Amino acid sequence: DAGVTQSPTHLIKTRGQQVTLRCSPKSGHDTVSWYQQALGQGPQFIFQYYEEEERQRGNFPDRFSGHQFPNYSSELNVNALLLGDSALYLCASSLRGNSGTEAFFGQGTRLTVV
Amino acid sequence: LAKTTQPISMDSYEGQEVNITCSHNNIATNDYITWYQQFPSQGPRFIIQGYKTKVTNEVASLFIPADRKSSTLSLPRVSLSDTAVYYCLVARSGSARQLTFGSGTQLTVLP
Repeated sequence: DAGVTQSPTHLIKTRGQQVTLRCSPKSGHDTVSWYQQALGQGPQFIFQYYEEEERQRGNFPDRFSGHQFPNYSSELNVNALLLGDSALYLCASSLRGNSGTEAFFGQGTRLTVV
Repeated sequence: LAKTTQPISMDSYEGQEVNITCSHNNIATNDYITWYQQFPSQGPRFIIQGYKTKVTNEVASLFIPADRKSSTLSLPRVSLSDTAVYYCLVARSGSARQLTFGSGTQLTVLP
């Protein structure tokens, strides 16, 4: 059973460019959440997707957008990249009806903006 | 959600038991206490979740006093591979899709 997979693993972009990160959730999961983790900090919630719609959003600007596909996979798009967007971007999947607090995380995409 | 406070770092030696305490003074009635582990350049991994008293699994134990204002993650007989950042979270039931992480505790296990 494949866990959460993210691609690419590493990415280098230039300021002002746009980037798309991809995530495939754990088999059987229907909800995908995205997090940004700066160096030395804990992950910060960006948004979550369920039934192809953004359901909750953290304190991130509109430059951050996403999409969820019918097969539950998801994309995170960041426009007009800033140096401060350099971080590890994590995708987590869960099952909406689950009453627990366990989410499954991917290994992340390390984004470097130069 | 209740804010959590935990030590920034801890050192231990192989074979010792490690206890990491987390305070969450404003925990709400329907909040759970959850711990995650994170290795460098990897995503966090769920360790254990509890509501009150004691919970034990194959990896760790979680002790929660009656007032639930703090909790202690206990790792028995740590090894070098337990070196990681440990996050204490307070989360509502069913909130796996939107977790709030603090800065965590960097545990370093020494030989």
